[in-house]
Amino acid sequence: DGGITQSPKYLFRKEGQNVTLSCEQNLNHDAMYWYRQDPGQGLRLIYYSQIVNDFQKGDIAEGYSVSREKKESFPLTVTSAQKNPTAFYLCASSIVLGASYEQYFGPGTRLTVT
Amino acid sequence: DQQVKQNSPSLSVQEGRISILNCDYTNSMFDYFLWYKKYPAEGPTFLISISSIKDKNEDGRFTVFLNKSAKHLSLHIVPSQPGDSAVYFCAASPRLAGGTSYGKLTFGQGTILTVHP
Repeated sequence: DGGITQSPKYLFRKEGQNVTLSCEQNLNHDAMYWYRQDPGQGLRLIYYSQIVNDFQKGDIAEGYSVSREKKESFPLTVTSAQKNPTAFYLCASSIVLGASYEQYFGPGTRLTVT
Repeated sequence: DQQVKQNSPSLSVQEGRISILNCDYTNSMFDYFLWYKKYPAEGPTFLISISSIKDKNEDGRFTVFLNKSAKHLSLHIVPSQPGDSAVYFCAASPRLAGGTSYGKLTFGQGTILTVHP
């Protein structure tokens, strides 16, 4: 079964700790994305990558970091510098970077920082 | 600054009737528009899209209309079914200087559609 997996589904952390969210895809897609969703708001783009070893900041990259060492994997680290890290995080991928190419989303990780 | 706006947080419709979800945008560089559907605790799934060279795109029960002069698009679902109950997001992508559309999407806030049996 091809798709995107995000783990874990729920994650709890203490304030001041870095935390890494996993995203894996077996769709052989070149492009991958990280979004954040907050109540009453749309999805906001954190980082995106159009190819291995390349990634670009999205609209709200501050306090986050990513890596793209393998085509299948695009982990997101939420650092202690992120002021409001509690949110629902969604990873997505598409064949290549381009609006006409459908983005496939994972099930999401709900991060709670206390 | 919200460049893509869905001003109706929720919409309630009777089964069999038409659902109309609206979306407005402010960035004139947007030239590709998409609708995504999201069920609770799941990621969004692509529904339908439209390029700025068109004003209508139809796929089964779903039709998207684009009014470029008004910077407005709408999604029509006819007939509405209880299984359509979900959050609907519109999204837009800008045109690059070379004329191709980019994959960086800007999403609206979403509209919760409830279809009653």
